[in-house]
Amino acid sequence: NAGVTQTPKFQVLKTGQSMTLQCAQDMNHEYMSWYRQDPGMGLRLIHYSVGAGITDQGEVPNGYNVSRSTTEDFPLRLLSAAPSQTSVYFCASSYGGTNEKLFFGSGTQLSVL
Amino acid sequence: QQQVKQSPQSLIVQKGGISIINCAYENTAFDYFPWYQQFPGKGPALLIAIRPDVSEKKEGRFTISFNKSAKQFSLHIMDSQPGDSATYFCAASRSNYQLIWGAGTKLIIKP
Repeated sequence: NAGVTQTPKFQVLKTGQSMTLQCAQDMNHEYMSWYRQDPGMGLRLIHYSVGAGITDQGEVPNGYNVSRSTTEDFPLRLLSAAPSQTSVYFCASSYGGTNEKLFFGSGTQLSVL
Repeated sequence: QQQVKQSPQSLIVQKGGISIINCAYENTAFDYFPWYQQFPGKGPALLIAIRPDVSEKKEGRFTISFNKSAKQFSLHIMDSQPGDSATYFCAASRSNYQLIWGAGTKLIIKP
């Protein structure tokens, strides 16, 4: 049982480049979400999904795009990377379409130069 | 009204002592208050959570104390161990709306 798997673990981008952070879970969780973690700021919700085909914006959605075509996968796309997007990104999932008892991946450390 | 304020930012406790981390919120509609534990290089993991219908919840050495009138809740770690050294986050949410997170407390337990 792998839980929540994020790839890659580390990534360096140049300003303006685009990329996709991958997230997959094998727990059949309906709720999936993306957070960014910055020092001294806790975690901030970027986008979330309560099921396949359903996505919604969180607190800081600008510059990011998501889709949910399957229950298992929830990729996060950076459309045109900016230095302000340098952060650690976490994908999280939970059972039953709620944000209670979140299971987190190990994170992706992203640097935008 | 959406903020959750967490203190202290960092905390050093001797092995065997009690670690106490505090959080305060403003939105009285919040009805779910979890604590997450995060080790370096890992994602946060749910430690314990409480709803406002009880004033205290205990799981092993970890206890949440909840004061609805003061809009505060705290995490107590009894008999703190070096393995408890981690960053702890409090959070709050209202009826499955998004979690609002505190800024985190880095806890170091000295052997």
